[in-house]
Amino acid sequence: DQQVKQNSPSLSVQEGRISILNCDYTNSMFDYFLWYKKYPAEGPTFLISISSIKDKNEDGRFTVFLNKSAKHLSLHIVPSQPGDSAVYFCAVDSNYQLIWGAGTKLIIKP
Amino acid sequence: EPEVTQTPSHQVTQMGQEVILRCVPISNHLYFYWYRQILGQKVEFLVSFYNNEISEKSEIFDDQFSVERPDGSNFTLKIRSTKLEDSAMYFCASSEGGRVSQPQHFGDGTRLSIL
Repeated sequence: DQQVKQNSPSLSVQEGRISILNCDYTNSMFDYFLWYKKYPAEGPTFLISISSIKDKNEDGRFTVFLNKSAKHLSLHIVPSQPGDSAVYFCAVDSNYQLIWGAGTKLIIKP
Repeated sequence: EPEVTQTPSHQVTQMGQEVILRCVPISNHLYFYWYRQILGQKVEFLVSFYNNEISEKSEIFDDQFSVERPDGSNFTLKIRSTKLEDSAMYFCASSEGGRVSQPQHFGDGTRLSIL
C-alpha cells in the first residue's frame, strides 16, 4: 500500500538553512493533507495542514505547498533549528483515518 | 496545553493473553482513534470512534480487537488473544471534529511486546 510516499528516508541540513521535505500521493480524490513531527519515545505532533482548495499554507517557520496536478506536497522549514531534528510524517485524511507516509528523518547540523 | 495520555507506556504479555491499552483523550474532543506502528514500518490506522460507536475500521481491526469508552473519559483498546505479530507501538489520538481543520492529537504511545 503506497498511497502516500516519502521517498527520502533521511535529510541532513545545516542550521539556519532551509529544510525541504517531500511527499507524493496517488489518489487525486484526497483533499486534506497534514504534516506531523515525531521525536523518539513520543507520539506524533501535529505541525501544519493544507486543504486541496489551497496551494500554500504558512505558520511561522513552516510552510506547506500543495501541487495537485503533480500530486505532490512539500514542507519547508526556514530557518532550520537544532530542535527541528525529528522524523517528519506526511499524512492524508481519508474518511476519518490518516494514511501515513514512511517518514523522513531530518537532521539539523550545527 | 491539553494532551492525550496513554497507559501503560510499555506492556509485556504472553501470547494468547488478553491485553487492554488505555487512553485518556483531550476532554472536549469527540472523535477517538487507535493507530499502530510495527517496528520499521509505517503508522497504520486501526479504528475511529464517535458517539459511542465505531466510525471506521481497517482490515487489521478484526474480531480479536475491540474498543470501548467505559466511563466518558477513558478510551480503551482490547486485544482478546494476542499474537506475536501484535507486537507494535500503539498510538491513541483524539480530535475535536471529524475531519478538515480538526487535526488529530496523539498520545506518546504504548509499546506492546508479545512473548
